Amino acid sequence: VQVLQSGAEVRRPGTTVKMSCKVSGYRFKDFYMHWMRQAPGKGLEWMGIIDPERDETTYAGQFRGRITITADSSTNSIFMGLDSLTSDDTAVYYCGVVPSASSERFGDHWGQGALVTVSS
Amino acid sequence: QSVLTQPPSVSAAPGQKVTISCSGSDSNIENNVVSWYQQFPGAAPKLLIHDNNERPSGIPARFSGSKSGTSATLAITGLQTGDEATYYCGSWDSSLNAGVFGGGTKVTVL
Repeated sequence: VQVLQSGAEVRRPGTTVKMSCKVSGYRFKDFYMHWMRQAPGKGLEWMGIIDPERDETTYAGQFRGRITITADSSTNSIFMGLDSLTSDDTAVYYCGVVPSASSERFGDHWGQGALVTVSS
Repeated sequence: QSVLTQPPSVSAAPGQKVTISCSGSDSNIENNVVSWYQQFPGAAPKLLIHDNNERPSGIPARFSGSKSGTSATLAITGLQTGDEATYYCGSWDSSLNAGVFGGGTKVTVL
């Protein structure tokens, strides 16, 4: 199983970032994907989860309204967009893949992480 | 403030045992499974324990997990210098309908 995450991004405050994770080694219907982030020097923060087969999502309350997680079965990829960025969104963002029967853990396989820097 | 509570740091000499506690509530740990992750600086977390006490393939038996009530524990026996890392517990919170993590515990090998 491999999880290939898109690269680092720099954004201005108030803009949107969209990042991706491409999964190989799992069929689309056989995995869920979590998204987490880690601010500099801080711990892990859970952001949301997607069931790609059913296209069902659950988001953490603090992000509801400005996060969107979508799936593209043609490329076995998951996309996470975050709107209305502020400097507090500066962090390394991770995707975590789990078997679809094991949604309560956060990553058997992880993307390499992508630094998002929000600065004017 | 993290929903799950971990000590910021623990330490022990090589070959010794350390335990890391993870305290939660009935909406997370008591009624949902706990997983543990190991993270080295600059790297992605790695799954160490899932479903409270199950080790994925390739994880040494030196790492073990347990759960009782609203708390969980990760134990590392035969501590090695390569175990110096930060360890996170995680669980699902049924009230928040969200994943939750502890703040992380840095393990130092003396």
